[in-house]
Amino acid sequence: DGGITQSPKYLFRKEGQNVTLSCEQNLNHDAMYWYRQDPGQGLRLIYYSQIVNDFQKGDIAEGYSVSREKKESFPLTVTSAQKNPTAFYLCASSIGLAGGGEQFFGPGTRLTVL
Amino acid sequence: GQNIDQPTEMTATEGAIVQINCTYQTSGFNGLFWYQQHAGEAPTFLSYNVLDGLEEKGRFSSFLSRSKGYSYLLLKELQMKDSASYLCAPRGYSTLTFGKGTMLLVSP
Repeated sequence: DGGITQSPKYLFRKEGQNVTLSCEQNLNHDAMYWYRQDPGQGLRLIYYSQIVNDFQKGDIAEGYSVSREKKESFPLTVTSAQKNPTAFYLCASSIGLAGGGEQFFGPGTRLTVL
Repeated sequence: GQNIDQPTEMTATEGAIVQINCTYQTSGFNGLFWYQQHAGEAPTFLSYNVLDGLEEKGRFSSFLSRSKGYSYLLLKELQMKDSASYLCAPRGYSTLTFGKGTMLLVSP
C-alpha cells in the first residue's frame, strides 16, 4: 500500500526541548511539505522540498528546521525557538510542485508542549 | 501574497444541495484545489480546477472563474458523512495556500 506515514500520532514535550517529527512516503513523490494547523485556522506552510538535499522556507519557518537526505523522508524539527509549538502538524507529498498533481497528506502528529 | 475568503460555517439538511464559495487573490495562479477534512484527520483531495468552468465528479462539482478570483464547491444529495471542513486552496507560483475552511454541518 502506497502512502504517507507520520509518527507518532500524539507527542508531548516539555517546554525548551527540541522534538523531531517523522514523515515517510513510498509514493515516489519528488515534492514534500510540512504544514501546521491551529484550531479554526487553515493549513500554514512551514517548509517544502522539491528534490533531495533541497528545501525552501514556507510562510512560518521560524523556529523549525528540516532535512531531505532521502527522497522518502522529510523530518521536521520543532526547536525551542518556536514560541508556540503546540499544534497539529501535517506532512504531505506530491509528484512535483507544478502541474495538477494533488498533495497527499499523512495522518498528522498532534504535538503538545507542556 | 495570497488572500482567501470562504464562509466559516454552513448548515444543511440531509439530501439537500449546498454551495461553498471561495474568493481569492493570489500572486500568480496555477489552479485551485478543494480538500475535505474531517475533525482530527488529514485533508483529502476533492477536486482541481485550472481552467474556467465546472468540473463534475459524482456528488461533488467545483467551479472556477479566474477573472473573478472565484470558485465554489457544490455538494449534492448531502449525507451525514459530508459533515466536515472544506478547504479552498489556490496554487500560486509553486505552493498551495489554504483558506481557513468552511465547517459544514449536515443534519437529519
